[in-house]
Amino acid sequence: EAGVAQSPRYKIIEKRQSVAFWCNPISGHATLYWYQQILGQGPKLLIQFQNNGVVDDSQLPKDRFSAERLKGVDSTLKIQPAKLEDSAVYLCASSLSPDGRLYGYTFGSGTRLTVV
Amino acid sequence: GQQVMQIPQYQHVQEGEDFTTYCNSSTTLSNIQWYKQRPGGHPVFLIQLVKSGEVKKQKRLTFQFGEAKKNSSLHITATQTTDVGTYFCAGSSNTGKLIFGQGTTLQVKP
Repeated sequence: EAGVAQSPRYKIIEKRQSVAFWCNPISGHATLYWYQQILGQGPKLLIQFQNNGVVDDSQLPKDRFSAERLKGVDSTLKIQPAKLEDSAVYLCASSLSPDGRLYGYTFGSGTRLTVV
Repeated sequence: GQQVMQIPQYQHVQEGEDFTTYCNSSTTLSNIQWYKQRPGGHPVFLIQLVKSGEVKKQKRLTFQFGEAKKNSSLHITATQTTDVGTYFCAGSSNTGKLIFGQGTTLQVKP
């Protein structure tokens, strides 16, 4: 089966600019996650969707980050305006069940964002 | 809030030696998952443990879930260069939210 697709693979922007990342999960996976992984750290959950509804966005910096999952399939994560500390890899993941039971999460290859 | 800690942060071993990483949660977990991330790659699901005291094996890898469901370990027997990468544990509480540890990076010298 096809994996989780993410684009772009890399992005370099100046601080205060905006950027958007796209994710297409595995077909049939109702739950979609966006994680931020700073170099040398574990992935940190930003937002979790169940179909097109938000389950958890408690760690999403809502003053600059936004995410949507229209029609319960693809998702977009946006940062506006970007700060230097947003430099990280943004990982999208999907799972069959909300807590990844049985099969875990399937991650995409991520988007490496560098803010200069 | 829930925290998941892993030790050690780094481990360098000679090929053929054993390796163990430990994971501890501040709260009781409903399940724990383990992932491997190769350098430059993304996390890949290895296994899930659900039951108290559960032990699962995958070839040279042995995974354990503590009796109190607050800690876990991953043990690799006779490491190979293909084992290089960062191993993450991720714990889920009754909220369903999966929290990742900071990972243990394994380097294997041939």
